[in-house]
Amino acid sequence: AQSVTQLDSQVPVFEEAPVELRCNYSSSVSVYLFWYVQYPNQGLQLLLKYLSGSTLVKGINGFEAEFNKSQTSFHLRKPSVHISDTAEYFCAANTDKLIFGTGTRLQVFP
Amino acid sequence: KAGVTQTPRYLIKTRGQQVTLSCSPISGHRSVSWYQQTPGQGLQFLFEYFSETQRNKGNFPGRFSGRQFSNSRSEMNVSTLELGDSALYLCASSLEGYGYTFGSGTRLTVV
Repeated sequence: AQSVTQLDSQVPVFEEAPVELRCNYSSSVSVYLFWYVQYPNQGLQLLLKYLSGSTLVKGINGFEAEFNKSQTSFHLRKPSVHISDTAEYFCAANTDKLIFGTGTRLQVFP
Repeated sequence: KAGVTQTPRYLIKTRGQQVTLSCSPISGHRSVSWYQQTPGQGLQFLFEYFSETQRNKGNFPGRFSGRQFSNSRSEMNVSTLELGDSALYLCASSLEGYGYTFGSGTRLTVV
């Protein structure tokens, strides 16, 4: 069965510091992988996606993620965060339906 | 290009009532999926419709149902509402599953 695990429920970080949000997936078949961001009282916004090809995927707002098939991971990174990056981040995998991780709350402090 | 539109944004209902939520997908997208988001259970898949047919279904009771019209607009219905149905209901449209665009959601409160 397909599943997505986000190991960190909360990640506090100071402004301009780098950040990594971890995501692992399990699937017996090829998957498409996604990262979404959710701001308070809003829907989900797509940050980036991996369908195939280059394992390093660049997204919006300076985020990038690396697909690692051997470690079944798809970690999200940003070299320098801003206060405005404070939000909930969801990793998701799609085979026949989109399955989400439990989310990581990124809190950026000044 | 208009995004995914969900109506209404907020809804308050009483236990035992039923409710219908609406979702208009991005023009050209034939797949519409519904998700329930709660603090305790996170984001859970309800069902997916493609070209008016339910293509996939999550593990929700039969009180949760949906349909899709010929213009790809979708509705979701919940009958005999329970307090635990209070949640943010999100709709997403997709072009053949290669990326899902979400609406802003409908916040349902059952009292």
